Amino acid sequence: QVQLQESGPGLVKPSETLSLTCAVSTYPISSGYYWSWIRQPPGKGLEWIGNIDHSGSTNYNPSLKSRVTISVDTSKNQFSLKLNSVTAADTAMYYCARSAFGSYSDYWGQGTLVTVSS
Amino acid sequence: QSALTQPASVSGSPGQSITISCTGTSSDVGGYNYVSWYQQYPGKAPKLMIYEVSNRPSGVSNRFSGSKSGNTASLTISGLQAEDEADYSCSSYTSSNTRVFGTGTKVTVL
Repeated sequence: QVQLQESGPGLVKPSETLSLTCAVSTYPISSGYYWSWIRQPPGKGLEWIGNIDHSGSTNYNPSLKSRVTISVDTSKNQFSLKLNSVTAADTAMYYCARSAFGSYSDYWGQGTLVTVSS
Repeated sequence: QSALTQPASVSGSPGQSITISCTGTSSDVGGYNYVSWYQQYPGKAPKLMIYEVSNRPSGVSNRFSGSKSGNTASLTISGLQAEDEADYSCSSYTSSNTRVFGTGTKVTVL
């Protein structure tokens, strides 16, 4: 059973940078798979943000690409999300997940709510 | 990339079968057998129910099945039960090497 746990500030001011980390347990990131960030605004659907593999190769949602950076630290078995120049529209539950190439996400973190407000 | 289109809500009585559609384009749903489905209860993380169009992960009830025709994928829940009342979302790989989710469907058991 792969376990993922998101952490980071629950409140971010407009125009600042949202930073989250996902700690992975019981499965080495270096063993494979893609590691994804997915978000869900309150009352709305899921939105794929992007993913990264163990080598650091990334793919991003075109609508967020200019503001997003996903990185991986295999020594700590964790990966991170940075989203800059945030606005109220970035308020959402943010999930990290393990994903097969191009395909499904089989293990998810519990999610962390990030609110953008001054 | 545009979200895949799902009906906002679907309902059925216990024991009935319901089908949720997920419509995309030839650049996503229609172009690849990489459609997955997720069940989500309020305040909980999504749970994988179907992957690669029609495969069920271990532990998922065989009352859940998936299929695809052209640019539309479908999730069928047979023998509807009260515990199936939840939100369901589809997802697909895209030709841009990204993923896209559907708009989400609320399933109500009458």
